[in-house]
Amino acid sequence: SYELTQPLSVSVALGQTARITCGGNNIGSKNVHWYQQKPGQAPVLVIYRDSNRPSGIPERFSGSNSGNTATLTISRAQAGDEADYYCQVWDSSSLYVFGTGTKVTVL
Amino acid sequence: EVQLVESGGGLVQPGRSLRLSCAASGFTFDDYAMHWVRQAPGKGLEWVSGISWNSGSIGYADSVKGRFTISRDNAKNSLYLQMNSLRAEDTALYYCAKDISSGYDSGGSFDYWGQGTLVTVSS
Repeated sequence: SYELTQPLSVSVALGQTARITCGGNNIGSKNVHWYQQKPGQAPVLVIYRDSNRPSGIPERFSGSNSGNTATLTISRAQAGDEADYYCQVWDSSSLYVFGTGTKVTVL
Repeated sequence: EVQLVESGGGLVQPGRSLRLSCAASGFTFDDYAMHWVRQAPGKGLEWVSGISWNSGSIGYADSVKGRFTISRDNAKNSLYLQMNSLRAEDTALYYCAKDISSGYDSGGSFDYWGQGTLVTVSS
């Protein structure tokens, strides 16, 4: 089965840049989507198809995908960005796969 | 405004059944695939099942295959999940999610989510 690995936690200073990685075998050949989930709330799509932002998502959120790693980048981090972040891909054998999730803390 | 409202969760004994519903509004329901995603307490997201716009294609996670059945009623703008032979490990918050495309297996993202309904399996 296909697996996606994320760091358990990422800390970032207020106003600095956070990078959240999502590792998977040849993930660069797949479309990667990213979700933000704040405590007690449903997930929200923040990046789709590697690097596209849905309407209403700040430009501070960006994504890239190459080789065995996809990355979600949060620029000029704000306190409101504190949340769990999940990557997701489609795999023909495993169907939809979510990453293990990363807790982002803004210091 | 897109709204997805789940219902039907509750406390159920192991081996029993439960049927979840998701009422959709604010978009053309029969244009899009729909999914169920669950989240065990304190854990990550797990895709459970998906169904294409016309129910022509359906998929399940291995963990629920043979026990859960997804369905939809486009006339009622509703999505369902029939859960049989429930186990303790099925305890989770179950989310209904809208796909950005019509096929459940398109590999697309889930652009809208409901607030979830909690299923607790315990004796």
